[in-house]
Amino acid sequence: DTGVSQDPRHKITKRGQNVTFRCDPISEHNRLYWYRQTLGQGPEFLTYFQNEAQLEKSRLLSDRFSAERPKGSFSTLEIQRTEQGDSAMYLCASSHGPDRRRDTQYFGPGTRLTVL
Amino acid sequence: AQTVTQSQPEMSVQEAETVTLSCTYDTSESNYYLFWYKQPPSRQMILVIRQEAYKQQNATENRFSVNFQKAAKSFSLKISDSQLGDTAMYFCAFPGGNDMRFGAGTRLTVKP
Repeated sequence: DTGVSQDPRHKITKRGQNVTFRCDPISEHNRLYWYRQTLGQGPEFLTYFQNEAQLEKSRLLSDRFSAERPKGSFSTLEIQRTEQGDSAMYLCASSHGPDRRRDTQYFGPGTRLTVL
Repeated sequence: AQTVTQSQPEMSVQEAETVTLSCTYDTSESNYYLFWYKQPPSRQMILVIRQEAYKQQNATENRFSVNFQKAAKSFSLKISDSQLGDTAMYFCAFPGGNDMRFGAGTRLTVKP
């Protein structure tokens, strides 16, 4: 069990560019979550997958954001036409169990995005 | 709206002493779970402790314990015998609705 991994760890981009982040969950975990965390704040939920199905999407997630989890394994989060307000740490977490509300979520190290 | 509030942005404690971090939440649900997560500097967030709301007994994990007051919607974390490695951001979290809600966090510094 190697834990949740995220790539890249840091990304600097210019406003208007597209960026894509990858998350590899713990292999047997069927649930995958994306969060955004700004400095001094707690994580904010963005979206949730159960296997390959995207079941929940926060109203925070504008149309410029899209996430996929093909084949229920790794997931990607793409941000199109980045804005300075997108600068944040993007966290991925995974979990498994009979009751989603009870699950321990295992977090990755995050991808820190800076939009210039 | 289901919210999580941590009213202490920063706290400090001397090594080996005890500290309590506060958390309140708001929900209309009767059966739910509450979590404390720890985020050490530049490291991944990890679970500290979990409480099931239908259990009256407070959860305990080694030096970490909670004081769960369901009627008051309060869920505080007590750290006994604080160690330097406890220095971190601590987040109270509540799976409200279909997502996980986190408080703004408390930055705890353990001083030698």
